[in-house]
Formats: sequence, structure tokens, C-alpha cells
Amino acid sequence: EAGVTQSPTHLIKTRGQQATLRCSPISGHTSVYWYQQALGLGLQFLLWYDEGEERNRGNFPPRFSGRQFPNYSSELNVNALELEDSALYLCASSLAGGGYDTQYFGPGTRLTVL
Amino acid sequence: AQTVTQSQPEMSVQEAETVTLSCTYDTSESDYYLFWYKQPPSRQMILVIRQEAYKQQNATENRFSVNFQKAAKSFSLKISDSQLGDAAMYFCAYRMPFYNQGGKLIFGQGTELSVKP
Repeated sequence: EAGVTQSPTHLIKTRGQQATLRCSPISGHTSVYWYQQALGLGLQFLLWYDEGEERNRGNFPPRFSGRQFPNYSSELNVNALELEDSALYLCASSLAGGGYDTQYFGPGTRLTVL
Repeated sequence: AQTVTQSQPEMSVQEAETVTLSCTYDTSESDYYLFWYKQPPSRQMILVIRQEAYKQQNATENRFSVNFQKAAKSFSLKISDSQLGDAAMYFCAYRMPFYNQGGKLIFGQGTELSVKP
């Protein structure tokens, strides 16, 4: 069974541009979570999507947004990129948003903002 | 607010020896899940072990086991017979109850484990 996949592996942008990151969950998983792993800041929760809806977001500005498609894949968009947005962005999926289902992570997208 | 603390930024162990990584957390909830994830240099976050708070029995997965002390809010990871492939950053994580912010994970700062041959 395929795990969580993310694309691209690396993404280099300049300040002010927009970045789009993609995530495909494990087959059968309906919930997708996004986390940011920035140097010195640790892993922080960004967004949670379930059944096509944004269900919760972390303490991030509205520049960070996304969506979930009918096939449960997800896209994270970061607008007006700033230097501090440089980080590893991890996507995780779980069977359902409720309960205590384990979140399984993808390999991440390394975003570099110059 | 819930917090997770890993007080050991770095740990080192000799191959075949045993090492214990510490984790404490703070929550007012009575029912929750705790996890240990491993992040090797490839950056892929890999689940090592999980513990349900309502279970008193400590979870075990092959060479990995936990010491879960609910009253003390402590959740340490023991790695037995350490192998070179165990070298990685280890993160302790607390999962919020679903009715509270939808089950997001709160991570500790991580412990970098090195294994000496």
C-alpha cells in the first residue's frame, strides 16, 4: 500500500511569489493535516482538512491556505512568500478526523524562499 | 494550553546498548494519545510507537517500549539493543482530543540520537 506522497520534493521561490505544495493521502484516509517544520521553531500545526472542508488551522496568517479535493488529496498555498516561510512542510493523513487515528506522514516538501 | 517537553536535545548510545529518551507533557484532558516519531536524515517522519492514555499497560513494538506514567505526565521511550539505523531525531507528540481542535499533534522539540559503533 502506497504511503503519503508529496510534491514537489524541493521548491525554490523568491520573496513575494506564491508556492503550491501538494499531498496525496494514503488510500482510504479522508483527513489531511499540514505541518511546518522551520529551523528553530520545531513542528507546528498548520491546517486540517476533512471531507473537503477546512476544519481547523493553526496560528498562521491567512497567506497560508489550501484545499482538499474530492479524491482527498490536498494542496497548500502560500501567498506573498516571506523569507521566514523557508521550511520543511509535512503532510500527514489519517483514517478520520475524529477519534484517535494515527497520522502518517509524507516525505515533505522543502520550500526555500530567497 | 497543552505542551510537550523533551529535555534532552541530544543523546548518544553505544550499538547494542539501551537508551531512554524522556518526554513530559501538560494537559487537562483525561483521554488522549501519545506518540513517538522518528525522523532520520531523509526527513521522513516515521511512527515508532503509540500509547492510549486510557490503557495502563505500556506499549511495546519490538525493541521499542514506553514507560507511560499518566499521573506524572511522563512518556519516555526505551530503545533496546540499539542499532546504527536507530540514529535519528526522535519527536514525542501529544494528540489533542477530536473535540478540541480536531486532533492536531503537538510536538516536543526533539531529541537527536546518535548511535556509536
